[in-house]
Amino acid sequence: GNSVTQMEGPVTLSEEAFLTINCTYTATGYPSLFWYVQYPGEGLQLLLKATKADDKGSNKGFEATYRKETTSFHLEKGSVQVSDSAVYFCAHFSGSARQLTFGSGTQLTVLP
Amino acid sequence: NAGVTQTPKFQVLKTGQSMTLQCAQDMNHNSMYWYRQDPGMGLRLIYYSASEGTTDKGEVPNGYNVSRLNKREFSLRLESAAPSQTSVYFCASSEAGGGSGEKLFFGSGTQLSVL
Repeated sequence: GNSVTQMEGPVTLSEEAFLTINCTYTATGYPSLFWYVQYPGEGLQLLLKATKADDKGSNKGFEATYRKETTSFHLEKGSVQVSDSAVYFCAHFSGSARQLTFGSGTQLTVLP
Repeated sequence: NAGVTQTPKFQVLKTGQSMTLQCAQDMNHNSMYWYRQDPGMGLRLIYYSASEGTTDKGEVPNGYNVSRLNKREFSLRLESAAPSQTSVYFCASSEAGGGSGEKLFFGSGTQLSVL
């Protein structure tokens, strides 16, 4: 079936550190892939997306590349800020199921 | 712009009580969704409405009912609340419910506790 597995948290980093949050998926076909971010007390917001293999989504210094061969969509940022502290969700959209499937979320805390 | 508005923000119920969560969007979106968020499990789809007049079950529909009142509003009803329904509930909307997957816009959530 369709599923998304992401790196368990919590992740704690110092400001300006490099961030990687791993995400892998199982799905039939070639789903669109997403990263959503949830700031404290708020709903989820789309951070970036990629719709086909080798596409790179990017936004606010975050990047993720759609890797069909490894069924992965890892989130990276070269230098995190305190304001990046949030919960990050990987997700894929399955055309057959016609719905988004979310991973369990990764809590990121960035310390000054 | 208000975006997606959910009410109430917090609610405490006793087992067996009923309640309706309200959701409205002002973006003229066709599709609307209800998710629940539980620790360690991410978001799970309860019900969705691809367009006005249609509703479909998601991954965890048991114990819930929905109504797509009009294009703007999509409500979620718990007829007889159970402690297992303690969760954070999110409403979301998107322009359309198919294709390659559209951007979802989320409300700020309803924290529900069932005692």
